Amino acid sequence: EVQLVESGGGVVQPGRSLRLSCVASGFPFDDYAMHWVRQAPGKGLEWVASLSWNSVIIDYADSVRGRFTISRDNAKKSLYLQMNSLRVEDTALYYCAKLLSAALTGDGLDSWGQGTLVTVSS
Amino acid sequence: QSALTQPASVSGSPGQSITISCTGTGSDIGSYDLVSWYQQHPDRAPKLMIYEGTKRPSGVSIRFSGSKSGTTASLTISGLQAEDEADYYCCSYTSTSTYVFGTGTKVTVL
Repeated sequence: EVQLVESGGGVVQPGRSLRLSCVASGFPFDDYAMHWVRQAPGKGLEWVASLSWNSVIIDYADSVRGRFTISRDNAKKSLYLQMNSLRVEDTALYYCAKLLSAALTGDGLDSWGQGTLVTVSS
Repeated sequence: QSALTQPASVSGSPGQSITISCTGTGSDIGSYDLVSWYQQHPDRAPKLMIYEGTKRPSGVSIRFSGSKSGTTASLTISGLQAEDEADYYCCSYTSTSTYVFGTGTKVTVL
């Protein structure tokens, strides 16, 4: 059974940093691209970033580019999101998600964690 | 990248069929057969219902189907059931190698 478990969320002041983690199990982690998706309270889903299996291909949403960094450690089966210069509008539940296909970029996200809540407030 | 446009709400009676539209541009839906649909119940993680525009993951009911015409994708739920009441989001791969989600649609079973 595929499992994704996020951690690292919390309350942080604007301008500060936070690092999220996602530990994977139940599938060959190093074969799959991974994504971060967030959802502000009471709002819709927003794609944040993605990372290929070998960390070569990295993409970010315009809203986070230059402030957030996605990375992974395949030996630890872990995905990370380093969030710097946090803003109030970054407040959201952050999900990590697995790409359905190991071979097709742009495919659906078939497994999601339960999310970790990040609150940016002074 | 602007969010794809979905109706805020759609409703139907049990047993009926409903369709949720998702309108994008030539840079996303119009360029790729890479639209996915997600169901989200309150306080739950999203669940993949349709991928690559028309395909269903294992375990998803055949009552869910997807289609696309030009820059608009659609999700149809046939034989509406109480358990289908949830929020639904479309999502497309884009020409800048990013993803964009739709604005979300609340489905109500009357």
